[in-house]
Amino acid sequence: AQKVTQAQTEISVVEKEDVTLDCVYETRDTTYYLFWYKQPPSGELVFLIRRNSFDEQNEISGRYSWNFQKSTSSFNFTITASQVVDSAVYFCALSEGYNNAGNMLTFGGGTRLMVKP
Amino acid sequence: DTEVTQTPKHLVMGMTNKKSLKCEQHMGHRAMYWYKQKAKKPPELMFVYSYEKLSINESVPSRFSPECPNSSLLNLHLHALQPEDSALYLCASSPRSSGHTEAFFGQGTRLTVV
Repeated sequence: AQKVTQAQTEISVVEKEDVTLDCVYETRDTTYYLFWYKQPPSGELVFLIRRNSFDEQNEISGRYSWNFQKSTSSFNFTITASQVVDSAVYFCALSEGYNNAGNMLTFGGGTRLMVKP
Repeated sequence: DTEVTQTPKHLVMGMTNKKSLKCEQHMGHRAMYWYKQKAKKPPELMFVYSYEKLSINESVPSRFSPECPNSSLLNLHLHALQPEDSALYLCASSPRSSGHTEAFFGQGTRLTVV
């Protein structure tokens, strides 16, 4: 069963629009971590954020913000005033377990964001 | 230096060829990973090395053979591959192989098997 769901497979916006990428996860563990990675056309996955299950504070980093809500098992990602350079595939991922030997990540299917000038 | 470097960036090989993918990091990380990513899919973990020892093999066929010569280098030896093995192969590293640490990824090797 898929444990991380990114329902939006593709999103297209015009530059300067705000956009929210949805992520819904499923886990039975009380200790877990959630991640967002960005994969530009060049291929590498770029780490954006890690959030543990005990910290529900929202986070803002420049134009990026994240909304973590345990009540709805969601960890959504918002880009404010999008730019063409934000065009990429974005993956949400879940890391479960107290220690997680191997740093095993369960990835969502990814959301392809296209920002048009 | 926060880079993971992979070579080559592109590789085309026949089904009878033997080739190797290389990965290097100089961040002092003690965990290194190989992932396989098919088009429009998320990455799938293949192998985990911790302190230069193979700690996880996600039931990967033996035609893929990993090697970790030292703490900075990770190789993936390829032999007798099939066309369905064509994919982006990503290397990653992290400070350790447990504890939910974030991984740093290379740009990958785009492999085409003909």
